[in-house]
Amino acid sequence: QSALTQPASVSGSPGQSITISCTGPTTDVTAYNFVSWYQQHPGKAPKLVMFDVSRRPSGVSNRFSGHKSGDMASLTISGLRSEDEADYYCSAYRSSGTLVLFGGGTKVTVL
Amino acid sequence: QVQLEESGPGLVKPSDTLSLTCTVSGASVNIDDYYWAWIRQPPGKGLEWIAYIHFGGTPNYNPALRGRLATSVDASKNQFSLNLTAVTAADTAIYYCARGRIAATSRGWFDPWGQGTLVTVSS
Repeated sequence: QSALTQPASVSGSPGQSITISCTGPTTDVTAYNFVSWYQQHPGKAPKLVMFDVSRRPSGVSNRFSGHKSGDMASLTISGLRSEDEADYYCSAYRSSGTLVLFGGGTKVTVL
Repeated sequence: QVQLEESGPGLVKPSDTLSLTCTVSGASVNIDDYYWAWIRQPPGKGLEWIAYIHFGGTPNYNPALRGRLATSVDASKNQFSLNLTAVTAADTAIYYCARGRIAATSRGWFDPWGQGTLVTVSS
């Protein structure tokens, strides 16, 4: 069982917006602004698409945005495209113990 | 452009030691701003953080694996390594190396990642 909780799947039609949630124990998500998100296509290594909650790496589309409210972080993909179909993982940094926790992953399907 | 590549045996016997090396190009392993990390993913499952390594400091290990882990950095070869002892079938996974960041205002993320190497534990 993963320490961070994500929905198993989210789907949307091309052009729509979808949001993937990520929740966890208070000290992991709410206490710090160190939540990151990864996109993983089948057979490929994960790729960083968001870090420090809402910062986008160079080269990542501005259709991706990150947010945190209370004990929930979220990744929104707007203007959904076929190439966005992938697994997405959230991650949170902690100050002690298991320093990095991952969510169980969300499969995004473009209908 | 920073690139990482994992290398090591794809098959390890139960109770043996799993040894992997990550070769870094496009950046030096002995820099202050970044850490080097190992992350694994059992086939069809999610990601699990294994370790953070810094050339000049004490490594940080996942408590669930501590006692079985050893890591090192070889600046002369621009590589870092992972040893996991007493492996079982539960250690079968794709092992990724990655560059990590731990700074006062930005931490816990990994970029870039190696392509990953599948290690199967079986007799």
